[in-house]
Amino acid sequence: AQSVTQLGSHVSVSEGALVLLRCNYSSSVPPYLFWYVQYPNQGLQLLLKYTSAATLVKGINGFEAEFKKSETSFHLTKPSAHMSDAAEYFCAVISKYNNNDMRFGAGTRLTVKP
Amino acid sequence: DTEVTQTPKHLVMGMTNKKSLKCEQHMGHRAMYWYKQKAKKPPELMFVYSYEKLSINESVPSRFSPECPNSSLLNLHLHALQPEDSALYLCASSRPRLAGGQQFFGPGTRLTVL
Repeated sequence: AQSVTQLGSHVSVSEGALVLLRCNYSSSVPPYLFWYVQYPNQGLQLLLKYTSAATLVKGINGFEAEFKKSETSFHLTKPSAHMSDAAEYFCAVISKYNNNDMRFGAGTRLTVKP
Repeated sequence: DTEVTQTPKHLVMGMTNKKSLKCEQHMGHRAMYWYKQKAKKPPELMFVYSYEKLSINESVPSRFSPECPNSSLLNLHLHALQPEDSALYLCASSRPRLAGGQQFFGPGTRLTVL
């Protein structure tokens, strides 16, 4: 089965600083990759997804992610953190051979300091 | 309408009770999912229905019984649960034949088993 690994269970940044959340996938065939955000006591909201088109993917709320096959990575970035970005972020993967089987990374909690 | 709704929002039940969780979407999606999410953990896939047929069952105990009565509705019947089943239960939907199609998540039902 496909899997993703998120490095760092907790990331803390200052408001206005760069946000970098790391995600690596394990697959010889590039899968479909997603970043979701979850605010407390809510469901998951899609930030962006990679589906074999452009390797630099732009999402909502100023987030973007770059797919790097050579590094099997799909890291999430935002140039300038806002207090409202504080949340749990999940990287997720779907295999190209089983479109309905989504697997999540362990998650990264982002804290934004004023 | 790009919304997945779940009822109830909160549920408290005893170990001998029978209750049901309900999920509904009107986006025309023909794949629907149940996930279980414990605190500070990622969502774990429980069941997948594709075209109203159960396609994935992740070895979930029989005290959880899914049902997909039509293409818009997904239920999760609960019976004789254990306290360790307390969690946030998330429903999601997607277009099953869209390669790399994202899953749309509901807000979840917070279940507490006493």
